[in-house]
Amino acid sequence: GAVVSQHPSRVICKSGTSVKIECRSLDFQATTMFWYRQFPKKSLMLMATSNEGSKATYEQGVEKDKFLINHASLTLSTLTVTSAHPEDSSFYICSATTGREQYFGPGTRLTVT
Amino acid sequence: RKEVEQDPGPFNVPEGATVAFNCTYSNSASQSFFWYRQDCRKEPKLLMSVYSSGNEDGRFTAQLNRASQYISLLIRDSKLSDSATYLCVVSGSARQLTFGSGTQLTVLP
Repeated sequence: GAVVSQHPSRVICKSGTSVKIECRSLDFQATTMFWYRQFPKKSLMLMATSNEGSKATYEQGVEKDKFLINHASLTLSTLTVTSAHPEDSSFYICSATTGREQYFGPGTRLTVT
Repeated sequence: RKEVEQDPGPFNVPEGATVAFNCTYSNSASQSFFWYRQDCRKEPKLLMSVYSSGNEDGRFTAQLNRASQYISLLIRDSKLSDSATYLCVVSGSARQLTFGSGTQLTVLP
């Protein structure tokens, strides 16, 4: 099946710093990628839909100025958590769609101290 | 009301048992339905799509009842490796996936 990678897989940062997470579709082009967040023992919650060459669409309650999304190419979307705080600590997962199926990246575990 | 509701479990069953998970969804316009499996601290992986006619993949059988907005997953002859969280997922025309909170299954030796 299609492969989606994320980098980094794990990051620990200090409160107030910014963290960039990359999501790449390795063997297919994805016009649309999705960013999810999952807190412990909770379900995946869609944060935003990332469309190549246009602005991302954010879900209600997700601050677009805090979670910056850039989808500059058909194989790369980035999520930047700006001025991270401990409450932003979570498991961030991206997915990329071929149009028929969604493929998930392995996730990035963010811990803000 | 949550868009996708599942019994969180946990379900603890012996090897070889048959176990069934249920799920309901609130958006009648939902178009696609899936079961995903998520292992601890890993990304979700597609287990199977769900169709109104019902579909089977080995030991796994999924059913969809659009009138009742109800989805089910049946696992027969449970294996230790089936231990995971099972996520009920629905999708609309925008291809966005809406996840249930998951049902945790532990298969015991």
